[in-house]
Amino acid sequence: TQLLEQSPQFLSIQEGENLTVYCNSSSVFSSLQWYRQEPGEGPVLLVTVVTGGEVKKLKRLTFQFGDARKDSSLHITAAQPGDTGLYLCAGASYGGSQGNLIFGKGTKLSVKP
Amino acid sequence: GAVVSQHPSWVICKSGTSVKIECRSLDFQATTMFWYRQFPKQSLMLMATSNEGSKATYEQGVEKDKFLINHASLTLSTLTVTSAHPEDSSFYICSAREGLQDEFFGPGTRLTVL
Repeated sequence: TQLLEQSPQFLSIQEGENLTVYCNSSSVFSSLQWYRQEPGEGPVLLVTVVTGGEVKKLKRLTFQFGDARKDSSLHITAAQPGDTGLYLCAGASYGGSQGNLIFGKGTKLSVKP
Repeated sequence: GAVVSQHPSWVICKSGTSVKIECRSLDFQATTMFWYRQFPKQSLMLMATSNEGSKATYEQGVEKDKFLINHASLTLSTLTVTSAHPEDSSFYICSAREGLQDEFFGPGTRLTVL
């Protein structure tokens, strides 16, 4: 069974601080997605990383895919209250018949002004 | 990005009744649709995967006779919760994907069973 361990589970920081969320697995994924979810809404796709070692930037968010495609990180620089939400990583493996996503448990981020 | 809609956004029903939730891909053809359930403060749990025109594949522990899934067209999938009970109260989220493209999520449906 493929598992994605996401950490930390909760994070409460002040505006302007930096933070990193980690997503680790013993399995190799074809790609990995990061989502952000607001309360009462569905997850919104932030980025997809596909190549081992890949780094993608989305304004103050930096996403990295591990060389072995088993882990990923999300780094937020100078966090703002608008970054508050649940961040989910999800790995895709298309070796099986379904190719469904495996979700981490999420990181609930709270950025205080 | 691609848009996925869900209807209704919330529903309250009496125990024993059935509830149907619709999931539509608005600007792409969803060859595969997924149904998830999310309990408060938890991550998404995949319930079933459906390919257009085929029977859904259910995850272990999900009763296929209780959660009926129909994916009759490339833009519509429905989830029917039959004989709903309070323990079925949850946030149900669908997602859709065209081929092996990115998966896009609907806004979710909050089901409350009294």
